[in-house]
Amino acid sequence: SQQGEEDPQALSIQEGENATMNCSYKTSINNLQWYRQNSGRGLVHLILIRSNEREKHSGRLRVTLDTSKKSSSLLITASRAADTASYFCATDSGTYKYIFGTGTRLKVLA
Amino acid sequence: KAGVTQTPRYLIKTRGQQVTLSCSPISGHRSVSWYQQTPGQGLQFLFEYFSETQRNKGNFPGRFSGRQFSNSRSEMNVSTLELGDSALYLCASSLAFGGGGSPLHFGNGTRLTVT
Repeated sequence: SQQGEEDPQALSIQEGENATMNCSYKTSINNLQWYRQNSGRGLVHLILIRSNEREKHSGRLRVTLDTSKKSSSLLITASRAADTASYFCATDSGTYKYIFGTGTRLKVLA
Repeated sequence: KAGVTQTPRYLIKTRGQQVTLSCSPISGHRSVSWYQQTPGQGLQFLFEYFSETQRNKGNFPGRFSGRQFSNSRSEMNVSTLELGDSALYLCASSLAFGGGGSPLHFGNGTRLTVT
């Protein structure tokens, strides 16, 4: 069963714009991670945020976590065509496995 | 450092056959997890191996099995293939098992098509 649900399912923006995608989950977590997947390839780890953190930055990525709302958001600033991919959140709820969300398909138009 | 290697990249099998997929983790990683990815169900956790022992298992039938060798390489086997087994099978390695904040490093997957 899916723990995380990403929203929106698909997003299309122009190069240079910011892209925001959200992840909601159901149970309390130890940490939450975001991954990127280019078409037909494996997932690449982007960033991890722990349950006691509220915001984290990595380059053009900004992740926020609101444990009271059981939600996280990933912001990609100044998007590039190369950012076109699917983005997944993955939660660690102490069940000794990561549960992945359904993903957001991002398309950045040049 | 070499990444996670999965072989073969593509497979076409017939219903009722069995298949074995292989995964070589990043050197030094002792945990190997397997995921099934389909358009309808997303990424579903199959199982995780650490130090040659299965530590966790997802909700899949017994037709799905795996093992891990002393060099941490892992194989996944699916017997009596069904059409619904068509999917991208992803292997991921990490330093720690069971999450714990250790990022997963994925291979590019094996695309299995069952006809």
